[in-house]
Amino acid sequence: GQNIDQPTEMTATEGAIVQINCTYQTSGFNGLFWYQQHAGEAPTFLSYNVLDGLEEKGRFSSFLSRSKGYSYLLLKELQMKDSASYLCVCQAGTALIFGKGTTLSVSS
Amino acid sequence: DAGVTQSPTHLIKTRGQQVTLRCSPKSGHDTVSWYQQALGQGPQFIFQYYEEEERQRGNFPDRFSGHQFPNYSSELNVNALLLGDSALYLCASSLAGRGRNTIYFGEGSWLTVV
Repeated sequence: GQNIDQPTEMTATEGAIVQINCTYQTSGFNGLFWYQQHAGEAPTFLSYNVLDGLEEKGRFSSFLSRSKGYSYLLLKELQMKDSASYLCVCQAGTALIFGKGTTLSVSS
Repeated sequence: DAGVTQSPTHLIKTRGQQVTLRCSPKSGHDTVSWYQQALGQGPQFIFQYYEEEERQRGNFPDRFSGHQFPNYSSELNVNALLLGDSALYLCASSLAGRGRNTIYFGEGSWLTVV
């Protein structure tokens, strides 16, 4: 079966750090993506983890533990434009299995 | 270099009708995947086409069918539309054998069934 859990909503203030957690149970797991999606727009790629550990990319970092079925996305120095939905996405075979997304609201 | 293009961007259909959505992949890409995204939900995988064949399919009924043409473009067909089919339909293109950030999404087609 396929199951991806992430918080529905999170709030934070500008300049802060926020961590969005994701747990998954996915058959045929190949890797894990994080996508950002602004309302009414297509998802855009943020990060991809296939091995355990931390991948850092500017203000965004993503962590994966395959044995625990766990990932997180870390956003530093938050900006207003970071207000969006963040989707935890497992690659199963050649398909992407999306979580329901975490809506992040950044306030000044 | 055009990215993934989808058409139409918005359309309204009546229950029981049929709809066809179209997708042109990013130049150089040979694989097309379709996703359905209901309001407030993450996208759900419908199916993927490669070399004009359906390679993988999600948990969608047979009313959802597709096609890939020799130029790699693709169509998604939905028959006997239901109100619950109202959603954003996203097309994603990629190059077979490549992972990571080589998956590109189109802007989607908004379908409203009344």
